[in-house]
Order: sequence, then structure tokens, then C-alpha cells
Amino acid sequence: AQKITQTQPGMFVQEKEAVTLDCTYDTSDQSYGLFWYKQPSSGEMIFLIYQGSYDEQNATEGRYSLNFQKARKSANLVISASQLGDSAMYFCAMSPYSSASKIIFGSGTRLSIRP
Amino acid sequence: SAVISQKPSRDICQRGTSLTIQCQVDSQVTMMFWYRQQPGQSLTLIATANQGSEATYESGFVIDKFPISRPNLTFSTLTVSNMSPEDSSIYLCSVGTGLNTGELFFGEGSRLTVL
Repeated sequence: AQKITQTQPGMFVQEKEAVTLDCTYDTSDQSYGLFWYKQPSSGEMIFLIYQGSYDEQNATEGRYSLNFQKARKSANLVISASQLGDSAMYFCAMSPYSSASKIIFGSGTRLSIRP
Repeated sequence: SAVISQKPSRDICQRGTSLTIQCQVDSQVTMMFWYRQQPGQSLTLIATANQGSEATYESGFVIDKFPISRPNLTFSTLTVSNMSPEDSSIYLCSVGTGLNTGELFFGEGSRLTVL
């Protein structure tokens, strides 16, 4: 069985600072995908970044990067130069390739950016 | 990407009634999923909607409570049957592109309140 753990229920960060959101996972699969989604107060789920378990380089998408440490089974999200619009819930998620796109989600971290 | 429309966007329902949520996608997709997000919680997968066959339910979810239809590759419905206040949640339809990244696209969700 797969499990995603996010240990930070909430975080406050000053605008323009970088922030790291923690995520650890547990799986017996050899191949899997890791994701981060953002959910603003409006409720929609916004895909941010993806990392494949066999990707050797950390994924980056604009201000988002994924710090992938396979041996430690961690997939932390780093947001550089945070903005007020980054205030939202952030969910780490994982998909076992064996189940195609079925994705399981962590409990989430609520990020609040202070002006 | 895929554009997903869900109806209704929100509803207030009486205990004991049933409500059907519709999910329409602007393109044919292989993978379609239904998630539930209870207040303040993460997303939990209810079932995979299979085109032309019965849905595949996750542990804790049963067909009698959450019947699902998938008549074609662009449309699905989820019915929440015999509702109780514990069913008050956001129900989200999502689709997978089937590509290597396994990214899911989400509808805007249907927010149900059961009185």
C-alpha cells in the first residue's frame, strides 16, 4: 500500500522568501510518480510539478522545484520568491505506475504568505 | 490538457435523498476518477469510472452508496445515495491523460451540504 505524509499542517512565510513544504512517501512499487497540487480557497486543484521515480534530475517548473531524495523517500516542494498568491493548500501526491493515473494524496499543508 | 465541467457546482440536500453529479470532459479520456474531499481534509479516491463496465471502488466505498455511470469516454455521473450529513463534501471528477507524467486534471468540484 502507498502512503503520503505531510507533517506540516500550516506554515507562515514572509513574501519574497523561499519556502520548503515537506513530503515523505512509502511504497513498495519500483516505478511511481510524485506530484504537487495547489488548492486555493476557490477550491480548484492546480497541478504544479511532477517527478518520476527514475528521473535523476530534480523537476523544476518556474518558481517550483521538487527536491527528490529517493533513498529517503522524500519529495519536498520548494517555492522560490514566494508571492501573496501562493497562499493556498498544497497537496503532495503519488501515483503507482501499475495503477496508471490513480493518485493518492497527502493530508496537505496550508501555506500563508505574509506581506 | 482537458477541460472538465461538473454539475451542480453546489447544492443543499435533505437527509435521505440522493443526488447525481455530472462530469463532462471536452475530449475523450481513458482514465476518469471520482474523489471526495470532506471539510478541511485531503482528497480520497472513491472509484475509477470504467467506460462500458462497472466502476472499481476503493476500500470503504460501495456501489450501493455511490453508483457511478460511464456511458462513453467523455461523460460520467456519480450518485450519492441516501445522503446523511456525513456526506457533506466536495466531490471532484478527475481525468488522467494517460501520458507518462500521469497528471490528473480536475473539475471545479461539486460542493454538497446535507441537512
